[in-house]
Amino acid sequence: GAVVSQHPSRVICKSGTSVKIECRSLDFQATTMFWYRQFPKQSLMLMATSNEGSKATYEQGVEKDKFLINHASLTLSTLTVTSAHPEDSSFYICSAQTGQGDQPQHFGDGTRLSIL
Amino acid sequence: AQSVTQLGSHVSVSEGALVLLRCNYSSSVPPYLFWYVQYPNQGLQLLLKYTTGATLVKGINGFEAEFKKSETSFHLTKPSAHMSDAAEYFCAVSPTGFQKLVFGTGTRLLVSP
Repeated sequence: GAVVSQHPSRVICKSGTSVKIECRSLDFQATTMFWYRQFPKQSLMLMATSNEGSKATYEQGVEKDKFLINHASLTLSTLTVTSAHPEDSSFYICSAQTGQGDQPQHFGDGTRLSIL
Repeated sequence: AQSVTQLGSHVSVSEGALVLLRCNYSSSVPPYLFWYVQYPNQGLQLLLKYTTGATLVKGINGFEAEFKKSETSFHLTKPSAHMSDAAEYFCAVSPTGFQKLVFGTGTRLLVSP
């Protein structure tokens, strides 16, 4: 149980394009979803927290206009990297949580984004 | 502010040897503590967690960790390493339960035959 699917697993695109990453909870309702960014050989940095039906809460230093987050249903959240540039290349990981913050986060397998 | 320190970016052990991965934290309130494992190009899998109660926590794959408040530590151990344990391990702390996880920088466990 508690499976989180993230798609795509890898994407390579040209600079200036927008990229959408999907995060789905397959067998539970995700009241909260989190988006993380992981640089090579570094830890995960929380980018934003999204609650279903509400605007995402972004961490300090994360550009909300650059990283658009939508959490329109209890099983799907999307992260759109707008006008991506090489410095946006990274490993993006989502996690999902059910309940009222009293349950562990379950992580997707991540998306490796490479901007040429 | 909460922070996590993982001593040693790499730990090498032989198959069958004891695994010890160190984690120290700072927190202004009683924290929740977690250990996650990450295999290459994958997300994180929860190994174990400490919330309240018994300070020795047992997790999956034979791992366990002990919460020592006086030492602000939450070290991860396994009596006998397997080749399949080779991965990146992250310690995390949260002052707010299961949200707002703050991760350490990770320790790569290498297991040799």
